[in-house]
Amino acid sequence: AQSVTQLDSHVSVSEGTPVLLRCNYSSSYSPSLFWYVQHPNKGLQLLLKYTSAATLVKGINGFEAEFKKSETSFHLTKPSAHMSDAAEYFCVVPLTGTASKLTFGTGTRLQVTL
Amino acid sequence: DGGITQSPKYLFRKEGQNVTLSCEQNLNHDAMYWYRQDPGQGLRLIYYSQIVNDFQKGDIAEGYSVSREKKESFPLTVTSAQKNPTAFYLCASSISFSGTPYSPLHFGNGTRLTVT
Repeated sequence: AQSVTQLDSHVSVSEGTPVLLRCNYSSSYSPSLFWYVQHPNKGLQLLLKYTSAATLVKGINGFEAEFKKSETSFHLTKPSAHMSDAAEYFCVVPLTGTASKLTFGTGTRLQVTL
Repeated sequence: DGGITQSPKYLFRKEGQNVTLSCEQNLNHDAMYWYRQDPGQGLRLIYYSQIVNDFQKGDIAEGYSVSREKKESFPLTVTSAQKNPTAFYLCASSISFSGTPYSPLHFGNGTRLTVT
């Protein structure tokens, strides 16, 4: 079965420094993968998605993620953090054969300090 | 603007009472979903509906019920049988369940339910 593991429950960075949020996946084949973002007391919004077209995926708000099959990873990065990036980020994988039935990671809370 | 409306934003109930959470979408999406979010646990699927008048249990359906009488509406009832109902509940929709692969989920802003 597909699953994802988010390696950090909490990440803190200074404004203007790079962001790295780590996600490893478990799958018997190359899955589709997504990153969603949730601001406090809000719903989730799709940041980016990997669907095997290209291993480096660009998303909204300057985020990108690289699919690395050899490392079974799909880490989320951003070159320079902004205060508005403070939120919770979820790595997500669909269940086999049901693209819309998703398995969510436990989330990484990103804190951005001045 | 198209979107998903969840109401109310905050809901307080006494133990033993059923409570219904509202979810309305004007995106003309076929599929709708209910998720429960607890701190440190990510989101867990309660129920989903692929089309009007049809719905299936998700991973944690016990103590919950839903209906899908209209395309735009997917209310969730938290019954007294749900042992730990206090949580943040999120409704979502997508264009279709399986006809359009990788179509993103659109989420409402959630209802925070507190049962005492």
